Amino acid sequence: QVQLVQSGAEVAKTGASVRVSCKPSEYTFASYTIHWVRQAPGQGLEWLGWVNGGSGGTFHSQKFQGRGTFTRDTSATTAYMELYSLTSEDTAIYYCTRQAELGPMFDPWGQGTLVTVSS
Amino acid sequence: QSALTQPASVSGSPGQSITISCAGSSSDVGGYNYVSWFQQHPGKAPKLIIYDVTKRPSGVSNRLSGSKSGNTASLTISGLQAEDEADYYCCSHTAYNTAIFGGGTKVTVL
Repeated sequence: QVQLVQSGAEVAKTGASVRVSCKPSEYTFASYTIHWVRQAPGQGLEWLGWVNGGSGGTFHSQKFQGRGTFTRDTSATTAYMELYSLTSEDTAIYYCTRQAELGPMFDPWGQGTLVTVSS
Repeated sequence: QSALTQPASVSGSPGQSITISCAGSSSDVGGYNYVSWFQQHPGKAPKLIIYDVTKRPSGVSNRLSGSKSGNTASLTISGLQAEDEADYYCCSHTAYNTAIFGGGTKVTVL
């Protein structure tokens, strides 16, 4: 069964940057698109964008545009999300998930990475 | 772009059926047959339970069903069980392979 394994929790200062990784356990990495979603404490899910595992092409939500970057390393079969100029509003659990087909067929999901931003 | 509109909470007794609505627009829910539903238990990652409006992934109970009419999608849980108590999120495809989530609905089994 395919799993997505994310990097561990991060604590960062306001204004700093953070990078979260997402590594699939077993599938042809280049055949799928990885989406990123976050969830602030006690809040709902917010879609952030995607990176195509094969082409490396990306798309960011309007809110995430200019604040973060999605990349992938095909040799390591790992996807990355980097978020810049952190504020307290970026404190959240960040999830990666695989898009299996066109549309939000997001399955499976990573275990989530808690990013805590403090001053 | 505003989140899709879901009721904040829905409750029901064991064995009953409940329906969660997900209201969008012609740019998302109404424009594509690509609506998914996710179930999230406390402290856990979301789990896909419905995709392409009506389809269930392998292993998902047939007590869960999805539908859509116009700009509103719905998730129905039949024969409510204690294990169904969780948060539920709808999600729609929009242009350029983007996605938008609903605000989430907390389901309580009385």
